[in-house]
Amino acid sequence: SQTIHQWPATLVQPVGSPLSLECTVEGTSNPNLYWYRQAAGRGLQLLFYSVGIGQISSEVPQNLSASRPQDRQFILSSKKLLLSDSGFYLCAWGGGGNQPQHFGDGTRLSIL
Amino acid sequence: TQLLEQSPQFLSIQEGENLTVYCNSSSVFSSLQWYRQEPGEGPVLLVTVVTGGEVKKLKRLTFQFGDARKDSSLHITAAQPGDTGLYLCAGDEGAQKLVFGQGTRLTINP
Repeated sequence: SQTIHQWPATLVQPVGSPLSLECTVEGTSNPNLYWYRQAAGRGLQLLFYSVGIGQISSEVPQNLSASRPQDRQFILSSKKLLLSDSGFYLCAWGGGGNQPQHFGDGTRLSIL
Repeated sequence: TQLLEQSPQFLSIQEGENLTVYCNSSSVFSSLQWYRQEPGEGPVLLVTVVTGGEVKKLKRLTFQFGDARKDSSLHITAAQPGDTGLYLCAGDEGAQKLVFGQGTRLTINP
């Protein structure tokens, strides 16, 4: 069966520090991969998605970047975090179209 | 980017009552999905509706896709405390992406 791993679960970082969040998927090949950010108790904002290795589409201009170095690995990064980068970050994989997306358990990022 | 408006944003009712959550757009979606999310976890798919006018039932939950595929509703009968959570609708806007509504925070009081 397919599983998705996202870590860390929580992270507290100072303003100006770098960021690296990792997401890996098991049990499927060539999945679409997604990074979302969610404000407290609200909907999901799509940040990046990838339909293949090295293919990244950015949805919102911002302080973050994404990379897909391997088929089932998706990384969210920043060189210098801002206070506004605080939030709940979710990774997901899916088949596209009307296929469901399967989410990790998220990373709670707090910027101090 | 297409937009999905969910209403109400917050809903708190007593156990045993019925409720309906709405998801509306001015755009047509090829399909629409409903997810439920618990605190500190990722959303989990409840149902996908594809055909205009389609109705799907999942125990006490009834999902309907509008005839024009621009809106959807989720109706819960005899709500239970276990139904508490954040309900999200998401529309397939093509190009391998979903657009999510802002969510409905549902609280069922015992």
